[in-house]
Amino acid sequence: QVQVVQSGAEVKKIGASVKVSCKASGYTFTSYDINWVRQAAGQGLEWMGWMNPSSGYTGYAQKFQGRITMTRDTSISTAYLELSSLTSEDTAIYYCARGEGWFGPWGQGTLVTVSS
Amino acid sequence: DIVMTQSPDSLAVSLGERATINCKSSQNVLNSSNNKKYLAWYQQKPGQPPKVLIYWASTRESGVPDRFSGSGSGTEFTLTISSLQAEDVAVYYCQQYYTTPVTFGQGTKLEIK
Repeated sequence: QVQVVQSGAEVKKIGASVKVSCKASGYTFTSYDINWVRQAAGQGLEWMGWMNPSSGYTGYAQKFQGRITMTRDTSISTAYLELSSLTSEDTAIYYCARGEGWFGPWGQGTLVTVSS
Repeated sequence: DIVMTQSPDSLAVSLGERATINCKSSQNVLNSSNNKKYLAWYQQKPGQPPKVLIYWASTRESGVPDRFSGSGSGTEFTLTISSLQAEDVAVYYCQQYYTTPVTFGQGTKLEIK
């Protein structure tokens, strides 16, 4: 079945970077965009950006410009999100999701905890 | 950025009754060239990722029960659950994908009365 599966939880120090992976299966990885959305505890959904796995072209939300990088490895159908200069406000569940408009399916989420 | 505003923030409905959630966009999300409304609805249950229910404002995703329906114009949209079931308890989000940044409503928490 079509699915995206994310890497496990991360605990990072303030100022560090985190890299989350998202492995696609059940479809042609290069045929659909991958988006990243995060959700702080008890809060709503915040879109971070998108990547075209075929071209590698990316688009980022302005809020994250300068400290976000989305990449991919097409040989293993995997997308990556890297976020640098972490602060406590980056503590959240990070989701990848397939789609070029509406999103589906979503990964199970990766909890990133940033602490001092 | 397009701001999406949902109402109400929370809603309690009796089993078998109708539930209605509204979503208003600060700008038009109707593309007049193809007459499509770039609006989706998601359901998120506790501890789970969101799941798409509706896209193009009124197209039901495959496998979604037909008690879920979407409607609306270029700026005002509605998600209706015709007969609430216990498994529908969740937070519901609208999303516009007319332009980037993609934006979501703040969510509506649906509970059983």
